[in-house]
Amino acid sequence: AQTVTQSQPEMSVQEAETVTLSCTYDTSESDYYLFWYKQPPSRQMILVIRQEAYKQQNATENRFSVNFQKAAKSFSLKISDSQLGDAAMYFCACRAKNNDMRFGAGTRLTVKP
Amino acid sequence: DVKVTQSSRYLVKRTGEKVFLECVQDMDHENMFWYRQDPGLGLRLIYFSYDVKMKEKGDIPEGYSVSREKKERFSLILESASTNQTSMYLCASSLNKDGYTFGSGTRLTVV
Repeated sequence: AQTVTQSQPEMSVQEAETVTLSCTYDTSESDYYLFWYKQPPSRQMILVIRQEAYKQQNATENRFSVNFQKAAKSFSLKISDSQLGDAAMYFCACRAKNNDMRFGAGTRLTVKP
Repeated sequence: DVKVTQSSRYLVKRTGEKVFLECVQDMDHENMFWYRQDPGLGLRLIYFSYDVKMKEKGDIPEGYSVSREKKERFSLILESASTNQTSMYLCASSLNKDGYTFGSGTRLTVV
């Protein structure tokens, strides 16, 4: 099964600044998908961004982008122009072809006004 | 939008009780999953199912069982609840290759 490591339990950023959340993963599969999920205090998990491993181009969704380094098995999330509503737990996840997903331990992001 | 509904948001049960956590999705997804979420450990996979009446063990199945009699419903069963099963439980469903859609979680306390 896949393993996912998030080495930053907590991060903080000033409103309007940029922050990068780190994630590394390990899998023996050649076909897999990577995700970042956001969990605000409401507890609802929200998909932030998705990357297919066979695609070289880094995924981007508005202020959210990833830096996907396949050889290094690294998948970091960059949040630009941080907003107060970005404060949440962020989980990195890896899903292989057998469809079950593994998650990292999470990073709690605080946004300071 | 796909909806995944977990029957209880908060639940308090006594040690030794049999506990049922229900999860229903409304978009005909084949795949359904149960995770538990604990601080510092992230989400850990308990059981999953790719079809009716089938189930697969995840990483931490001990003390749990599941039932999937209908495609839309996936139940997690704690046969004899223990205090170390106090946790947040998240259900999710998906189509192949897509991200998951999650329920809003059940915070279970076993006393």
